[in-house]
Amino acid sequence: EIVLTQSPGTLSLSPGERATLSCRASQIVSSVYFSWYQQKAGQRPRLLIYSASSRATAVPDRFTGSGSGTDFTLTISSLEPEDFAVYYCQQSDRSPWTFGQGTKVEMK
Amino acid sequence: QVQLVQSGAEVKEPGASVRVSCKASGYAFTSYEINWVRQAAGQGLEWLGWMNPDNGNTDYTMKFQGRITMTGNPSISTAYMELNSLRSDDTAVYYCTRGRRLVAPGTRWLDPWGQGSLVIVSS
Repeated sequence: EIVLTQSPGTLSLSPGERATLSCRASQIVSSVYFSWYQQKAGQRPRLLIYSASSRATAVPDRFTGSGSGTDFTLTISSLEPEDFAVYYCQQSDRSPWTFGQGTKVEMK
Repeated sequence: QVQLVQSGAEVKEPGASVRVSCKASGYAFTSYEINWVRQAAGQGLEWLGWMNPDNGNTDYTMKFQGRITMTGNPSISTAYMELNSLRSDDTAVYYCTRGRRLVAPGTRWLDPWGQGSLVIVSS
């Protein structure tokens, strides 16, 4: 099983600041099958980034995905109030598909 | 628009079974796998498996082998997830989500997601 480890667990930042979220895989993951999801409190998860670096429909360009192999990064260039949420990385390269444990981006 | 609408909340006793439904609309139901993911209160996302609505093939995570069944009815564009021998730690919100595209290109991201179905296991 591919284990995805996200860091940090919690990120305390202010609106306008830059957020950098990391996801490390225990084995090499094809970039094509790597995604990021956003989940706001009380809501269903929402696809944010697919194929490691492609933004999903209607996702603002302040969200950027990068990385390959075992190290992937989600960057939010300038936090907006609506960006405070939990972010999950996920791989669908090898079964079982797995999620990271999540990074909570909270308002400082 | 592409949409997945799930059945409502369920309360079950330990040892019972639960079936959650997921009705798809806005796309060809047999062209994408349906995945199931669950989330206990305050916890992260846990992938349960996928079902291919075109041929009925399934892939379940090892933890639930023998206890979970995923099926689909293409005539009504609806997928089902049944979990048996329920325990208190099965209490969670269960989500269906559209997964792998079965025709080229074979995309594998999870989008969209249903609204979630709360399953409470309690005596």
